Amino acid sequence: ELKVEQNPLFLSMQEGKNYTIYCNYSTTSDRLYWYRQDPGKSLESLFVLLSNGAVKQEGRLMASLDTKARLSTLHITAAVHDLSATYFCAVDTYKYIFGTGTRLKVLA
Amino acid sequence: GAVVSQHPSWVICKSGTSVKIECRSLDFQATTMFWYRQFPKQSLMLMATSNEGSKATYEQGVEKDKFLINHASLTLSTLTVTSAHPEDSSFYICSALPPRIPGNTEAFFGQGTRLTVV
Repeated sequence: ELKVEQNPLFLSMQEGKNYTIYCNYSTTSDRLYWYRQDPGKSLESLFVLLSNGAVKQEGRLMASLDTKARLSTLHITAAVHDLSATYFCAVDTYKYIFGTGTRLKVLA
Repeated sequence: GAVVSQHPSWVICKSGTSVKIECRSLDFQATTMFWYRQFPKQSLMLMATSNEGSKATYEQGVEKDKFLINHASLTLSTLTVTSAHPEDSSFYICSALPPRIPGNTEAFFGQGTRLTVV
């Protein structure tokens, strides 16, 4: 059974700080996605990573994929309050399996 | 990105009744659609995968007689929660997958449906 684990599950950080969220998965896949979810809302697509070594950046967020290590990271640079949300990774093995989620709270 | 419309956004129903949720891909044909359930403060759990014109494939532990999925066309899939009970109250999200071609594997998500069974 495919397992997708995120670390940490909860993250409280000060504005202006940097941090990394980790997504580990247990089977072979070279397609991984990152999403943001605000309370009561559906998913907002952040990054689509389709190959080993893929790196994508948008604003204060940067995502990378290491398929050999079965690891993806979501790096937050100089966090701002608006980034407060829950972040999910999802591994694509034809069907999407979601990670446990990371609830991020950025304190002003 | 492509648009997936889910309806209704929220619904309240009485125990024992059935509720139908629709998921439509508005600007592409979806050969495959997925249905997820999300309980408060938890992740999305895949319930079933539906392919147009064939029976849905349910994940282990999901009652197929309770959660009826129909994917009658390339743009519409429906989830019917039959004989709903309060424990079925949850946030249901669908996603639609265009035909897979190299470089195009991304599925698109609906807005979600908040079901409350009283």
